[in-house]
Amino acid sequence: AQSVTQPDIHITVSEGASLELRCNYSYGATPYLFWYVQSPGQGLQLLLKYFSGDTLVQGIKGFEAEFKRSQSSFNLRKPSVHWSDAAEYFCAVGAVNTDKLIFGTGTRLQVFP
Amino acid sequence: GAGVSQSPSNKVTEKGKDVELRCDPISGHTALYWYRQRLGQGLEFLIYFQGNSAPDKSGLPSDRFSAERTGESVSTLTIQRTQQEDSAVYLCASSPDRGSEKLFFGSGTQLSVL
Repeated sequence: AQSVTQPDIHITVSEGASLELRCNYSYGATPYLFWYVQSPGQGLQLLLKYFSGDTLVQGIKGFEAEFKRSQSSFNLRKPSVHWSDAAEYFCAVGAVNTDKLIFGTGTRLQVFP
Repeated sequence: GAGVSQSPSNKVTEKGKDVELRCDPISGHTALYWYRQRLGQGLEFLIYFQGNSAPDKSGLPSDRFSAERTGESVSTLTIQRTQQEDSAVYLCASSPDRGSEKLFFGSGTQLSVL
């Protein structure tokens, strides 16, 4: 079955600390992988995506993610978190022959000053 | 407008009533999606429109749910005889062409069924 797992429901970090949000997927076809961020009262915004090629992808707002096929993972990282990064983060998987994204349950990030 | 617009932003209704949610996609976007986001859960795919093709309704949870879209314009999601479990944020997204990599999301409609 196709699925996306985000094992951390809620993460709290101090401003300036490093961040890693975990994402594991189960997908039969070659996956396209995405990270979206949802700030309170706003729609989802695409942070970054992986289709092929270099397994380390750079996104907006200083985020990056690494695709590890052997671990079926696509973890999101940021070296130094800012208070404005507090939001909900969703990992999603899709494929070239499908028009639907499958989303994880999200990880809520809280940032302390 | 510049982005995907959804209305209303909030809707409170009584159990058993019908509700209609509206989505204005980005002009020129041929693909339109509806997703549901229940509290503490990920996004559930509901329905997908692509141009004049038959919509993909595989995610609609019951026959109380329906959606329409005329051409490449506005879409409405209708929920009949609402139930408390329908309470969720309903998100609309549009895409300039076929394929899911260029989704632009609206800010959603928060539906509360009392």
